[in-house]
Amino acid sequence: QQQVKQSPQSLIVQKGGISIINCAYENTAFDYFPWYQQFPGKGPALLIAIRPDVSEKKEGRFTISFNKSAKQFSLHIMDSQPGDSATYFCAASNGLGATNKLIFGTGTLLAVQP
Amino acid sequence: AAGVIQSPRHLIKEKRETATLKCYPIPRHDTVYWYQQGPGQDPQFLISFYEKMQSDKGSIPDRFSAQQFSDYHSELNMSSLELGDSALYFCASSFEGNEKLFFGSGTQLSVL
Repeated sequence: QQQVKQSPQSLIVQKGGISIINCAYENTAFDYFPWYQQFPGKGPALLIAIRPDVSEKKEGRFTISFNKSAKQFSLHIMDSQPGDSATYFCAASNGLGATNKLIFGTGTLLAVQP
Repeated sequence: AAGVIQSPRHLIKEKRETATLKCYPIPRHDTVYWYQQGPGQDPQFLISFYEKMQSDKGSIPDRFSAQQFSDYHSELNMSSLELGDSALYFCASSFEGNEKLFFGSGTQLSVL
């Protein structure tokens, strides 16, 4: 059972366009929602993260929008560039219990066309 | 800045052989996580350690074991390898169980 659902599976965007990736979760105990970027053959790299007490967080061209009541959050990449072409994973964790292990979404393969 | 170091980068084994993957966390990081990522799949949590003690366990097969040593590096031991164990294995580290996980570049394991 996928605890964090992600869509779309793949996305093609023109250079300069906006890329939008959506995620939904069920476990209300989650209190930390990061996005990771992964290039082929590399490990996931933390891009941006948000907590449930904030509805939006922006860092450069990357913005997370968070809807606590709907249990959904999304990543917006403004002015998308070919160098943004990668796989993006949303994730969730909670600070309760033994660890802050991340539960990942299924990933979105983004291709930004020049 | 120092990152998470994993070795080896690539490993080729035959069925039923054993494999040992190593992870060296970022200096001063005391928490280590192991993940398995199949082709086109999301990373799946295997096991984690905090201050050399197992802190959480996920979908790790009984054929696998892991430990964290006094210098905080960790090793994942895999025995009786199966074809389905072929995957990218990532190690991540954090400081005092902080939610920010930093991942290594992974070990690509191929079981033939």
